[in-house]
Amino acid sequence: DSGVTQTPKHLITATGQRVTLRCSPRSGDLSVYWYQQSLDQGLQFLIQYYNGEERAKGNILERFSAQQFPDLHSELNLSSLELGDSALYFCASSATGLGEQYFGPGTRLTVT
Amino acid sequence: AQSVTQLGSHVSVSEGALVLLRCNYSSSVPPYLFWYVQYPNQGLQLLLKYTSAATLVKGINGFEAEFKKSETSFHLTKPSAHMSDAAEYFCAVSLNTGGFKTIFGAGTRLFVKA
Repeated sequence: DSGVTQTPKHLITATGQRVTLRCSPRSGDLSVYWYQQSLDQGLQFLIQYYNGEERAKGNILERFSAQQFPDLHSELNLSSLELGDSALYFCASSATGLGEQYFGPGTRLTVT
Repeated sequence: AQSVTQLGSHVSVSEGALVLLRCNYSSSVPPYLFWYVQYPNQGLQLLLKYTSAATLVKGINGFEAEFKKSETSFHLTKPSAHMSDAAEYFCAVSLNTGGFKTIFGAGTRLFVKA
C-alpha cells in the first residue's frame, strides 16, 4: 500500500460525458502527478501540482483539467469524453517536486 | 530535448538467469533517475532511485542499477531471476529545467520461464 488513494476504482460512462477522478496523496506529500496509461500510448504524464500550484504540464488535452485543493487532494476532470479516453488514470505523489513518486492503484475509465 | 529510451519492449529470461533491462536517457541537466515496476492491475512501485550519490544503486527485491554518465545509461540488473519478477518495468527521468518534469520510458515487460 503506497498511501495514495484514488476514487473511484472503476468508472463506466458514455461519450460526451464529464467525469471527475479524485486523488489523496500520501500524508505530508506536497506534489501530485496525474498519468494516463493505455495500451497504445503507454504511460503518459498529464500534469503536476505542488502545494496547490501547477508546476508542470505534459500531454494533457484541453478537455482535461486538474486542480489541487488546500488539503492537498487533487481532482482530474475529463470532459466531452471520447472512446479514446478509455484508459487507466494514475495519481502519484511525492514529498518534493523532484523525488521518487508513490502511485495510487489507479482509476479504470471506460467510455462507451 | 529530454527523453528516455528502454531497449526491448519484451525481455524473456529463464528462472535463475541474469536479468538485464536497458535504459538510456538524454538530458541537458543532471537528472534524477528511477526504475519502477508494475504488476498486473496495480500501480507503479518504486524499485530504486539515483540522485547523484553513489553510481551503483541497490533497490528492493535484489535489483540494482548503475548510472553511467559517459554512456547516459541506467540499466537495471538482477543476478538471478525469480518467477515473481515477471512484470513491466519503467525507467524514468526527473529534471528541474525551471519547471519540474518527469519522463517515463515506454516500459519493458519481463517474462520469466520456469
